[in-house]
Amino acid sequence: DAKTTQPNSMESNEEEPVHLPCNHSTISGTDYIHWYRQLPSQGPEYVIHGLTSNVNNRMASLAIAEDRKSSTLILHRATLRDAAVYYCILRFYNTDKLIFGTGTRLQVFP
Amino acid sequence: NAGVTQTPKFQVLKTGQSMTLQCAQDMNHEYMSWYRQDPGMGLRLIHYSVGAGITDQGEVPNGYNVSRSTTEDFPLRLLSAAPSQTSVYFCASSYRGHSGNTIYFGEGSWLTVV
Repeated sequence: DAKTTQPNSMESNEEEPVHLPCNHSTISGTDYIHWYRQLPSQGPEYVIHGLTSNVNNRMASLAIAEDRKSSTLILHRATLRDAAVYYCILRFYNTDKLIFGTGTRLQVFP
Repeated sequence: NAGVTQTPKFQVLKTGQSMTLQCAQDMNHEYMSWYRQDPGMGLRLIHYSVGAGITDQGEVPNGYNVSRSTTEDFPLRLLSAAPSQTSVYFCASSYRGHSGNTIYFGEGSWLTVV
């Protein structure tokens, strides 16, 4: 199964943009790239997903490399409420499985 | 719309006891799954189901049983609890058929085995 690699932690100041990278060099052509985040003592919540093209929603943007071997989650203006663990996940076509990595712990400072 | 509901939220078990973690969803999702999360770790897939009557193993299935008799419910059974099963358990569900479908998670069940 394809795996993802993320930095263990990142820091940001409030109101600044944050770029969270993810490597997924073994991704296959039909795997979707999903991002979820987990606040303390809560279940993961959906952030964004994409296949090939860059994606935007009200929470974030997802930039996908042309070769799809990496992607970047972009929080345009970090807030204190964005402090969480962010997981980059590949969702496998046909199996519906999600395999989580260890994620990136984002700290946001006032 | 309750989403994904897990019960109980907290449970303490003695080694060797059995118990069932309940998971229910009201979104008519075909896909349901169970994950465990150990301290400081990401989630690991235990078992999953793509529809009523169909289940399959994930990354860490040993010590756990599942069944899927209805679309709505996907209980996780611990047959003989061990301290190594102390963890937080998350149930999740989504529509099938498209890998872009969002997966919804429950709030978690904190299990301690002493």
